[in-house]
Amino acid sequence: NAGVTQTPKFQVLKTGQSMTLQCAQDMNHNSMYWYRQDPGMGLRLIYYSASEGTTDKGEVPNGYNVSRLNKREFSLRLESAAPSQTSVYFCASTHAGPDQPQHFGDGTRLSIL
Amino acid sequence: RKEVEQDPGPFNVPEGATVAFNCTYSNSASQSFFWYRQDCRKEPKLLMSVYSSGNEDGRFTAQLNRASQYISLLIRDSKLSDSATYLCVVNTHAGNNRKLIWGLGTSLAVNP
Repeated sequence: NAGVTQTPKFQVLKTGQSMTLQCAQDMNHNSMYWYRQDPGMGLRLIYYSASEGTTDKGEVPNGYNVSRLNKREFSLRLESAAPSQTSVYFCASTHAGPDQPQHFGDGTRLSIL
Repeated sequence: RKEVEQDPGPFNVPEGATVAFNCTYSNSASQSFFWYRQDCRKEPKLLMSVYSSGNEDGRFTAQLNRASQYISLLIRDSKLSDSATYLCVVNTHAGNNRKLIWGLGTSLAVNP
């Protein structure tokens, strides 16, 4: 059971570079989420997709874009990376809606120099 | 007042001890409550949902107190492997939007 798979696990970027974080789930879940976790800040929602074909902003969407490619995949893109985006990024999924147990990927540790 | 508050700890307890954490929430209309566990540099994992009547899973007991707006987690007979950060999660409603609010976590260290 793979569950939620994130790639890459680690990445170092220079300021201004772009990259896409990939997330895929094999649990046939409808809803998917992108979070960032920073020391002293807890988990903060960046974007979410309640169902295939829909995306919505979360608490901290600035500097990010997302694509719900299909039911399985939800990607997060940094168009022009900034040092403030150095963080650990987690993708999660739920069967339907945010008030159900969330299943997380292993995380992507992103450093922007 | 923060939407979800937890005592950050750390709680240092010996093996075999009983330890309890509380988590307070500000939105009286909240309906869903969870405890997650997060090991250092790992992803959060669901420990248990919290039901209105309280629920138990082995050594773990979760309680909900709606009147005082807090949930609790009790761990009995602590094991070294229980050392982790415990995250409280509460849903909130803002208009038609539902979202989960994550606490910052309570750190537990179980010592031999």
